[in-house]
Amino acid sequence: QSALTQPASVSGSPGQSITISCTGTSSDIGYYNSVSWYRQLPGKAPTLVIYDVSNRPSGVSNRFSGSKSGNTASLTISGLQAEDEADYYCCSHASGITIYVFGTGTKVTVL
Amino acid sequence: EVQLLESGGGMVQPGGSLRLSCAVSGFPFSIYAMTWIRQAPGKGPEWVSAISAGGDRTYYADSVKGRFTISRDSFENTLYLQMSGLRAEDTALYYCGRKNYHNFDIWGQGTMVTVSS
Repeated sequence: QSALTQPASVSGSPGQSITISCTGTSSDIGYYNSVSWYRQLPGKAPTLVIYDVSNRPSGVSNRFSGSKSGNTASLTISGLQAEDEADYYCCSHASGITIYVFGTGTKVTVL
Repeated sequence: EVQLLESGGGMVQPGGSLRLSCAVSGFPFSIYAMTWIRQAPGKGPEWVSAISAGGDRTYYADSVKGRFTISRDSFENTLYLQMSGLRAEDTALYYCGRKNYHNFDIWGQGTMVTVSS
């Protein structure tokens, strides 16, 4: 099972919206509505920001939203803030032996 | 306070073994599936293994199947990962996590495993 494909970096100015894509296959993103997104600050463990494609855990800002179309999932951060600078990873349930696959990761920079 | 505290990491030679532990507190351990996820230096996370709440079902990534064994002790509220036949490519920070259906909603801070001669 190959890693899901994400852009290496995405940037935006404060207040803007950015979208991070996550492309998989018909055996993972395209088949299951079990895409989650994680944010990771330097030297820290990842934290969950979106689960089941578009749901936000309690305590996560409503500036974070998720969606899916076909084999591609997306994370949108609206009203970009300096504190949103981090690495973001998608993850999907998958068919086969390796039942969860992570994305390659996207570094978000606030200009 | 919810806490996952990993331990047992260290440096080991190729072919060696290591057992990781994850002490859980702050939530009812026995009703949640648990997981191990690793992250090699400078790389993204890689899912390694998962175990059902009752411990009767286990799952492994293809890259570790046959070499790693996940287990849990609900009396001690502890998750384990027994690793054998270690390879250089197993070098990573190993996180334990709470598995909530198909997402990982709580992570520990990780324990580092280095496989080198």
